[in-house]
Amino acid sequence: EVRVVESGGGLVQPGESLRLSCSASGFIFSEYAMHWVRQAPGKGLEYVSALSGGGDDTFYADSVKGRFITSRDNTRNTLYLQMSGLRADDTAVYYCVKDKERAIFGVISTLEYWGQGTLISVSS
Amino acid sequence: DIQMTQSPSSVSASVGDRVTITCRASQVIYSWLDWYQQKPGKAPKLLIFHASKLQSGVPSRFSGTGSGTDFIFTINSLQPEDSATYYCQQAGRFPLTFGGGTKVEIK
Repeated sequence: EVRVVESGGGLVQPGESLRLSCSASGFIFSEYAMHWVRQAPGKGLEYVSALSGGGDDTFYADSVKGRFITSRDNTRNTLYLQMSGLRADDTAVYYCVKDKERAIFGVISTLEYWGQGTLISVSS
Repeated sequence: DIQMTQSPSSVSASVGDRVTITCRASQVIYSWLDWYQQKPGKAPKLLIFHASKLQSGVPSRFSGTGSGTDFIFTINSLQPEDSATYYCQQAGRFPLTFGGGTKVEIK
């Protein structure tokens, strides 16, 4: 059974940093791209970042570029999102998502399995 | 970025009805269009991928069609458990982008 479980959320002040973790199981982690998607309270879904299976290729939405870094440890089947310079508009539930295909990175990306999400609140 | 326009934003229907949601992309995305269901307080769930392919374990009353820029998602014979928000998402190019969502309510 595929599982992805996020952790590390919480309340932080503007400008602070936070690292999210996503633990995966039930599939060969290194063979799949992984994604981060967020959802502000009461709002729709916003794409944040992607990382290839080998960890060599990344993508970041303009809204987080230069502030967020996605990485992975394939020996631990874990994905990370290092967030710095947090702002109030980063407040959201952050989802870790497994890609459906072992496709070439960035070609086709269907978001197959989603974690339960972890809430980040940025407020003074 | 590819903009995804989804309509309607909400719909209310009775059990057994057919519900249709449309999604339009701002540029051609071939068949790289996915549909998700999200219930309150839960993560989204993949229902349809590549415009018309049913994800494993998803009931056959859910279906999708379309290609290019225009896509349709249908729930045949609406069930009480289908009350949720549904999102389309283009899967062909980064950044992946989502429609604004359609809230489906049961009368």
